[in-house]
Amino acid sequence: ETGVTQTPRHLVMGMTNKKSLKCEQHLGHNAMYWYKQSAKKPLELMFVYNFKEQTENNSVPSRFSPECPNSSHLFLHLHTLQPEDSALYLCASSQEIGGQETQYFGPGTRLLVL
Amino acid sequence: GQNIDQPTEMTATEGAIVQINCTYQTSGFNGLFWYQQHAGEAPTFLSYNVLDGLEEKGRFSSFLSRSKGYSYLLLKELQMKDSASYLCAVADSNYQLIWGAGTKLIIKP
Repeated sequence: ETGVTQTPRHLVMGMTNKKSLKCEQHLGHNAMYWYKQSAKKPLELMFVYNFKEQTENNSVPSRFSPECPNSSHLFLHLHTLQPEDSALYLCASSQEIGGQETQYFGPGTRLLVL
Repeated sequence: GQNIDQPTEMTATEGAIVQINCTYQTSGFNGLFWYQQHAGEAPTFLSYNVLDGLEEKGRFSSFLSRSKGYSYLLLKELQMKDSASYLCAVADSNYQLIWGAGTKLIIKP
């Protein structure tokens, strides 16, 4: 139990669907992250929020839309996805944003786009 | 560009020692992390190095040489539960983590 939960754990969606991924951290952290993990590829940072404000958007397509209503919750809204978006989506949190700040990960949502 | 290199897969025997290497080229350096990720699970933190040298933590040790852009994770007295992927990540000048693709470690009895 890492203190970071994600729902759903598995999701299958069509290209025309709209769905949302949810992340919640119970660690009192101020920074939250969305990553994409594809097989045999490095983790790709998608979005970073610090104190509810988005600080990074690493050229992510607009079909991915993040939302951070408070420091404990993070959402990733999905619409009109492509099959190549199938991957494991990981949420993480850290106390602050800094070089030695350890990131704590949730178990991920395994997404399949048909 | 920024790059982290680590072997794709390694195999070792239960009870033995294995060293997983990581080399990096990044814009700036604010520390290097090692994470463990079991199949279907979240990555979990193992170690952090920011100064040169060896950090020991039980059966696991991590080494860093900043001048060589090189780190390794040393696992001793291997157990079957150590079968996992090991991820190397470097914090760059903007404190963003740049990740390697991970090394899948297979432990055989």
